[in-house]
Amino acid sequence: KNQVEQSPQSLIILEGKNCTLQCNYTVSPFSNLRWYKQDTGRGPVSLTIMTFSENTKSNGRYTATLDADTKQSSLHITASQLSDSASYICVVSENNDYKLSFGAGTTVTVRA
Amino acid sequence: ETGVTQSPTHLIKTRGQQVTLRCSSQSGHNTVSWYQQALGQGPQFIFQYYREEENGRGNFPPRFSGLQFPNYSSELNVNALELDDSALYLCASSLEVGRADIILFGPGTRLTVL
Repeated sequence: KNQVEQSPQSLIILEGKNCTLQCNYTVSPFSNLRWYKQDTGRGPVSLTIMTFSENTKSNGRYTATLDADTKQSSLHITASQLSDSASYICVVSENNDYKLSFGAGTTVTVRA
Repeated sequence: ETGVTQSPTHLIKTRGQQVTLRCSSQSGHNTVSWYQQALGQGPQFIFQYYREEENGRGNFPPRFSGLQFPNYSSELNVNALELDDSALYLCASSLEVGRADIILFGPGTRLTVL
């Protein structure tokens, strides 16, 4: 069974600090990996998408990395802001995009 | 971009009732997927429609059914509601099946079954 495991489950950081979220997956065959930000009760919003050949992708203060050999990805948030408080979900696609495997998400709380 | 819209935003039903949720996809997108997201969990794939045909289905019983219309909008129907059906239902649209395009999610419909 294809799985996506995220860690930590939740974390609290002070405004202005950095943090890194982890995603390990067993999805095969692999097509692409996406990171989404989801505010409570809202739909996920895409942050980054990486295919097999890409190692890193940035979107403002968000930087995602991918190691397709070890099947690991990370999302680094730089200089966190209060608005970064949300759940961050790792989503991995098999060759056909309809087969999306979602992680349970990491809940990030940024405090002033 | 018009984005993906869903209606209603919130809904309360009782066990055994039927419900219809609606989704209008991003303009130009011909593929719509539906997901169920329980509190504190990642979304679970229900099914996908591509040009009005079901293109894939997750592990959900037949009482979860759907439709896609010629304008690519979509409906999710759930019959004989159960308490465990309480969740956030997300609709996502994309342009082509198999391409690594940005998949746009709607804001979701929060369904509560009492």
